Amino acid sequence: SYVLTQPPSVSVAPGQTAWITCGGNNIESKSVHWYQQKPGQAPVLVVYDDSDRPSGIPERFAGSNSGNTATLTITRVEAGDEADYYCHVWDSSSDHRGVVFGGGTKLTVL
Amino acid sequence: QVQLVESGGGVVQPGRSLRLSCAASGFTFSTYGMHWVRQAPGKGLEWVAVISYDGSNKYYADSVKGRFTISRDNSRNTLYLQMNSLRPEDTAVYYCAKGGPGYSSSWYTYYFDYWGQGTLVTVSS
Repeated sequence: SYVLTQPPSVSVAPGQTAWITCGGNNIESKSVHWYQQKPGQAPVLVVYDDSDRPSGIPERFAGSNSGNTATLTITRVEAGDEADYYCHVWDSSSDHRGVVFGGGTKLTVL
Repeated sequence: QVQLVESGGGVVQPGRSLRLSCAASGFTFSTYGMHWVRQAPGKGLEWVAVISYDGSNKYYADSVKGRFTISRDNSRNTLYLQMNSLRPEDTAVYYCAKGGPGYSSSWYTYYFDYWGQGTLVTVSS
């Protein structure tokens, strides 16, 4: 079945840029969605279809997808961005059909 | 506004059954696919199952296939998850999430734009 690989943790100082990657075989052929989850809360969609933002999500959140890596980029990082981030695709391979989540990346704001 | 409210969680012994419900409001429930996603304590998100807008198509994670059944009642705007033969590893917060529109041929690939707050299921003797 399809595997999505995320770094367990990313640390960044306030005001800097954070890059959170999501690796998968030929992931550029899939639509990638990203969620932010803060402790004790349900996940919130921050990027969908590789690079679109839902209403209410700041422009500081941007997504891209190329080759074997999708990336969530958070510019001008704020303390409130500290959270876990998950990528999501649909796997339609012959032996498995279903949603796949990455393992999650904990973003720490120093 | 869209609301998804899960219920039915609790403590259950291994091998027993439990049924979760997700009451939806604020959107035309009968025209969207719906998902269940779970999260074990301190772990990441794990997708459980999806059902099409009309209930005609269902897909399951391998970890629950044959034990869990997803269903929906569009007249009641409610999504269900029947969980049988529960195991300790099924212990998790279970979320329902709104999926893609039924008019799309790729409804199952859509993002989850709304999530419920989750209900905790604990499987323990």
